Amino acid sequence: GENVEQHPSTLSVQEGDSAVIKCTYSDSASNYFPWYKQELGKRPQLIIDIRSNVGEKKDQRIAVTLNKTAKHFSLHITETQPEDSAVYFCAAARGIGGNMLTFGGGTRLMVKP
Amino acid sequence: SAVISQKPSRDICQRGTSLTIQCQVDSQVTMMFWYRQQPGQSLTLIATANQGSEATYESGFVIDKFPISRPNLTFSTLTVSNMSPEDSSIYLCSVRGLLNTGELFFGEGSRLTVL
Repeated sequence: GENVEQHPSTLSVQEGDSAVIKCTYSDSASNYFPWYKQELGKRPQLIIDIRSNVGEKKDQRIAVTLNKTAKHFSLHITETQPEDSAVYFCAAARGIGGNMLTFGGGTRLMVKP
Repeated sequence: SAVISQKPSRDICQRGTSLTIQCQVDSQVTMMFWYRQQPGQSLTLIATANQGSEATYESGFVIDKFPISRPNLTFSTLTVSNMSPEDSSIYLCSVRGLLNTGELFFGEGSRLTVL
């Protein structure tokens, strides 16, 4: 089955700096890669996703890049703010079915004011 | 989007007992997913609950330990049976959005502590 590795497990940045979180996946048939943000004590929420037919997607301060050949994808957050502090999970799936979604181990991002 | 209500939000349970978690969705959905999130860990899919058929369990999870009901298209329950401290986790109910874009919507979770 699919295996998703996520690095780093913790990341501390200064407010205004950029943060990058990287994930690798094992199943070359995976074609859907979402990122979820989970604030302390709250439910995970989708922040951005990318499909295998594109290499990059941006939404304001957040961007995701995908390298299908190397089987890795990354989340980039620019101009970080304290409210970006949370745990971020990458995931990979074949198709859009939630029952085929495999999550990475998570990255705890701390943005210091 | 989908609005998902879960209860209980938290509970403290004794070893050997069972607890049933309820999940209510504000719209009819074909599949409902149950995830476990152990302390400080990632999300692991326990099973997929389909209305009108038995749930499909992922490797490492069995029906005797985590029986699931799905009586209609808006409701599901997950029971954690014969609990041990290792079952202390957050249990999350999840559904796909109606637009079927792939996005998963999660309930607020049920935090179980087993003593």
